[in-house]
This record gives sequence, C-alpha cells and structure tokens, in this order.
Amino acid sequence: EVQLVESGGGLVQPGGSLRLSCAASGFTFSSYDMHWVRQATGKNLEWVSVIGTAGDTYYSGSVKGRFTISRENAKNSLYLQMNSLRAGDTAVYYCARWHGSGAYAFDIWGQGTMVTVSS
Amino acid sequence: DIQMTQSPSTLSASVGDRVTITCRASQSISSWLAWYQQKPGKAPKLLIYKASSLESGVPLRFSGSGSGTEFTLTISSLQPDDFATYYCQHYNSYLWTFGQGTKVEIK
Repeated sequence: EVQLVESGGGLVQPGGSLRLSCAASGFTFSSYDMHWVRQATGKNLEWVSVIGTAGDTYYSGSVKGRFTISRENAKNSLYLQMNSLRAGDTAVYYCARWHGSGAYAFDIWGQGTMVTVSS
Repeated sequence: DIQMTQSPSTLSASVGDRVTITCRASQSISSWLAWYQQKPGKAPKLLIYKASSLESGVPLRFSGSGSGTEFTLTISSLQPDDFATYYCQHYNSYLWTFGQGTKVEIK
C-alpha cells in the first residue's frame, strides 16, 4: 500500500525548533519530488516547501530562512526542520507526493501532524 | 504570482443535486489545475488533475473542465459522502497555490 506517515509534531514555544518526519512506503521514494503543505485550523491549504529528486529545494516566502527540507532516500524519509517558530506556524503539517509526470498534482498525502506554537 | 479564486465559498445542496464549483486564475494557466476533496480532520484527496483527468478510483460522478483562466468541478448527483470542502490547486514556477476552498453543506 502506498502510504505516507508523518510524525514529530507537538507543542513548542515561540522561537523554538521542531523536526518533522515523513515515512514513505509502497513506492520508489527516490523517484518523486516531495512536499510539505500546512493548514491552520479552519484555514486554507498553504504550500510550504519541496525537495526534488536531485535534492533541489524551494520554500514559500513565509518560511524561507527558517525551515529546511531534506530527504534520506535510503530510509524512505522526508524531513522538515523548523526553527524560529512563530504563532503563525501553528498548523497541521502534511507531507505529500508530487505526481509531476504530466499530472502536476499531489496524489498521495499523509494523515498530518499537528504543530502548535504557543507559550 | 498567480491567484486562484474559488466560488462560491459555501454551497448548500441536497442529495441528488448537480453541483458546480468554479475556480478562476488571475492569468492563464493552460490546463494545469487539480481538484481535491477534504473532509474534517482528514488529508486532502486528489479528485481531478490536468483540469479534466479523473484520478484512479474516484467516482465517475466527479468531472472537471476548463482551460486558461476558468475551471469547474462538477458533481453530477451529490451523494452523502460528498459533503466536504473542495480545493483547486495550480503549479507554476516553483509556486504551488491553492484556492480558498468551497464547502459543500447539506441543505
């Protein structure tokens, strides 16, 4: 079964750090661009970051310089290192597979992990 | 940056109704548009890609159309399982953009 499972969310104080993980299974992880997408409670989906198959990375303006995306293909794992966290980063964070071969869509999503930034 | 605007924000409908949701892009995006369904507490689920291609396993009552700047998602006969929030999404030049969502409620 094709599956993504996030972990690592929790409560953190403003200015703190957190590392999210996403474990992939059921597909050739190294062959896909992988993304993080977040959603604050009751709000819209917001794209956060992508890492390509070659390790190239891109970030939304709201997290650039604070978040770092990485991947470890040998472990079929995606990561998001979040530093200098703010209240506005509070959201459910989803990892998602990008189906770029002509589809240009997120075809597989994890169940999400909740990040709460609060004192 | 390309902006994606969905309408309506909320839609009240009954089981069996034909439902249409619109997504407008601030500039032409060819056919690079996807539609997702999200239920409360769940991850989004891909329904339609490339504006009109049905994702595998998605019921045939869902269809997508449009190109350029105006796109529609149609549910031909609304079923109880379809009450959810629907999002359109576009990719261009390393920016992935979602519409603000359309909530389909029970009338």
